[in-house]
Amino acid sequence: KAGVTQTPRYLIKTRGQQVTLSCSPISGHRSVSWYQQTPGQGLQFLFEYFSETQRNKGNFPGRFSGRQFSNSRSEMNVSTLELGDSALYLCASSLWAGSQETQYFGPGTRLLVL
Amino acid sequence: GENVEQHPSTLSVQEGDSAVIKCTYSDSASNYFPWYKQELGKRPQLIIDIRSNVGEKKDQRIAVTLNKTAKHFSLHITETQPEDSAVYFCAATLHEKTSYDKVIFGPGTSLSVIP
Repeated sequence: KAGVTQTPRYLIKTRGQQVTLSCSPISGHRSVSWYQQTPGQGLQFLFEYFSETQRNKGNFPGRFSGRQFSNSRSEMNVSTLELGDSALYLCASSLWAGSQETQYFGPGTRLLVL
Repeated sequence: GENVEQHPSTLSVQEGDSAVIKCTYSDSASNYFPWYKQELGKRPQLIIDIRSNVGEKKDQRIAVTLNKTAKHFSLHITETQPEDSAVYFCAATLHEKTSYDKVIFGPGTSLSVIP
């Protein structure tokens, strides 16, 4: 079974631009969540999607948005990029069976904003 | 909102010794507490989790304990091995059915196991 894939793996943008990152979950996983990881702020939850619906969102400005498609693939978009948006963006796909979660992370997209 | 503290920030142990990482949370409504391991340059892995209706959970050499009254939970690694060296993150969230609220992570503990 293929793992979680993210594209692109690396990205360089300049301030003010926008970026779209893609995540393909493990087959059968309907929940996709996104995280930002930086040396200063650590791991932070961005949002979670399930069956094309955003169920939860972390404390990020409206410049950060996402969506999920009917095949569970998800995209996140960051508009009007700022230097502080430079980070590793991770997505994870989850499968809940009863109260037990199985969650796998993708390799991440490393975004550098200049 | 929820706040998660994690201690220590760095931990060095001799191979074969035990390691304990402790987290405290602020929101008493939180009921799901996962732990993640992230080796250098790799993606995080969910290694164990615990729900608030359980006091302890074990999986081979790792265990997690939860004290709801004190609002703290701990990761215990016994018989540590060099491959346990990594950054460990705790997290807290409210989990209902198959959905969970915003996940709040601790700042991480860098564990080094010295051969």
